[in-house]
Amino acid sequence: AQTVTQSQPEMSVQEAETVTLSCTYDTSESDYYLFWYKQPPSRQMILVIRQEAYKQQNATENRFSVNFQKAAKSFSLKISDSQLGDAAMYFCAYHDRGGSEKLVFGKGTKLTVNP
Amino acid sequence: GAVVSQHPSRVICKSGTSVKIECRSLDFQATTMFWYRQFPKQSLMLMATSNEGSKATYEQGVEKDKFLINHASLTLSTLTVTSAHPEDSSFYICSAPRSGVLGAGGGYTFGSGTRLTVV
Repeated sequence: AQTVTQSQPEMSVQEAETVTLSCTYDTSESDYYLFWYKQPPSRQMILVIRQEAYKQQNATENRFSVNFQKAAKSFSLKISDSQLGDAAMYFCAYHDRGGSEKLVFGKGTKLTVNP
Repeated sequence: GAVVSQHPSRVICKSGTSVKIECRSLDFQATTMFWYRQFPKQSLMLMATSNEGSKATYEQGVEKDKFLINHASLTLSTLTVTSAHPEDSSFYICSAPRSGVLGAGGGYTFGSGTRLTVV
């Protein structure tokens, strides 16, 4: 079974600084998707960024970028120019392609942004 | 686009009663809906997968008779917590593929969640 591990229960960053959240996963599949979701205090799940495993180029979305290392099964999220609104729980998630496509979530990282 | 509307956002019910949670896809048709449960400060735990017009598939350890899932149309999936007990108190979230169907790889859209408190 696939697993997703987030080894940092909590992280903090100063406003305007850069922070990196770690995620590793385990799968025997070669074709899959990886995601970072943000869950603010409202608890609405918001898609931050998506990466397709067959694409070597790292995904970017404005201030958010990933470092996808397929061989190492690593998928870290970098947040640049951190803003107060970035404070939230961040979940790394995986789903295979063509199978059940169930999302497997990590345990989450709580990000605090200090003014 | 791809909005899932979930209601109610909060509900308090007495022990022994049943509660229904609805998730509607507003601007797309969802053939599949995933139902999650989230305990405080924890991750999302998949409870079941519902498919329009067929029986839901439950994850191991989830009681089918307690958590009744119905997906009678392409825009509505419901979760009914039957004979609720305080230990059923939790945050419940639904989610559907953004494209409405599995296999498109477009990611998932989530409802805003329902906080259930059983007293």
